[in-house]
Amino acid sequence: KAGVTQTPRYLIKTRGQQVTLSCSPISGHRSVSWYQQTPGQGLQFLFEYFSETQRNKGNFPGRFSGRQFSNSRSEMNVSTLELGDSALYLCASSHEGGARTGELFFGEGSRLTVL
Amino acid sequence: AQSVTQLGSHVSVSEGALVLLRCNYSSSVPPYLFWYVQYPNQGLQLLLKYTSAATLVKGINGFEAEFKKSETSFHLTKPSAHMSDAAEYFCAVSDSSASKIIFGSGTRLSIRP
Repeated sequence: KAGVTQTPRYLIKTRGQQVTLSCSPISGHRSVSWYQQTPGQGLQFLFEYFSETQRNKGNFPGRFSGRQFSNSRSEMNVSTLELGDSALYLCASSHEGGARTGELFFGEGSRLTVL
Repeated sequence: AQSVTQLGSHVSVSEGALVLLRCNYSSSVPPYLFWYVQYPNQGLQLLLKYTSAATLVKGINGFEAEFKKSETSFHLTKPSAHMSDAAEYFCAVSDSSASKIIFGSGTRLSIRP
């Protein structure tokens, strides 16, 4: 069974640009969560999608957005990039229970550097 | 609101020694608790989880954790450390009404030869 796949693995952008990250969950998983990981703030919850609907959202500005497609694949977008957006963005998928009680299966992440 | 506090951002033990990583949680409802491990340049992997069954939970790679409600703790232990255990460990909490897992700040475990 293939794991969670995130693309791209590494990318470099400049301030003001926008970026789209992609996540393909494990087959059969309908919940996809996104986390931002930085040395200073640790793992911060961005949002969770389930059956194409955003079910929960963290405390990030509106520049951070996401969506989920009918095949459960998810994308997140960050517009008007700032230096502080440099981070490892982790995607995690889980079964129908989502992150409430279940196990999260993480991808290897997309490392974004903003110059 | 749920939260977890991990005591010690860095723990160093000798190979073969006991590993003890501390985690305290705060939750207004019975929590679900987790320990995850992250190896360099990788995503997180679940070590073990507590979901109100047995208070002593056994996980992968010889790790276990004990849920102590009176102490609001969920410490992670391993009797004998191995070099391959060097990684960052995260304690996490969720509750039955939330659709997110909240992670602690992490503890980096180093193993001395």
